[in-house]
Amino acid sequence: AQSVTQLGSHVSVSEGALVLLRCNYSSSVPPYLFWYVQYPNQGLQLLLKYTTGATLVKGINGFEAEFKKSETSFHLTKPSAHMSDAAEYFCAVSFPSGGSYIPTFGRGTSLIVHP
Amino acid sequence: KAGVTQTPRYLIKTRGQQVTLSCSPISGHRSVSWYQQTPGQGLQFLFEYFSETQRNKGNFPGRFSGRQFSNSRSEMNVSTLELGDSALYLCASSIHWTSGQETQYFGPGTRLLVL
Repeated sequence: AQSVTQLGSHVSVSEGALVLLRCNYSSSVPPYLFWYVQYPNQGLQLLLKYTTGATLVKGINGFEAEFKKSETSFHLTKPSAHMSDAAEYFCAVSFPSGGSYIPTFGRGTSLIVHP
Repeated sequence: KAGVTQTPRYLIKTRGQQVTLSCSPISGHRSVSWYQQTPGQGLQFLFEYFSETQRNKGNFPGRFSGRQFSNSRSEMNVSTLELGDSALYLCASSIHWTSGQETQYFGPGTRLLVL
């Protein structure tokens, strides 16, 4: 069965520091992997996704993630945190089912940025 | 291009009542998916519609149902509401969602409170 694990429900960093949000997955088929961000009282916004090809994926707002098959990981990073990055981040994997795809989401990591 | 719209944004109901939520996808998008987000269970897939047909359904009781109209607008219905149905209900649209790679665009959600 497909599953997604996000290590750490809360991650706290100082403004300007490296952001690292961890995501590990379990999938019986080649996965498609996504990172989403959710700001308070809003829906989810896609940050980046891995489908095929280059394993280092660059997204919006300076975020990037690297797909490591051997480690079944898809960690999200950003070199320098900004106050506006404070939000909830979700890792997701989508797998085929019935001619479509069903996404499975991690429990989310709340990123706290201190001035 | 207008984004995904969901109505109403907020809703208060009492146990035993039923509720209907509406989602209008981005123009040209034919796939609409519904998700339930709660603090306890996180983000869970409810169902997905494409061209008026339900293609996938998550692990939810039959009280949860949905439909899609010819203009791709979708509604979800929850009958005999329970306290545990209190959640943020998110709708997402994409052009096809047949390869698992397409981007899903999320609406702001409908926050349902069951008293």
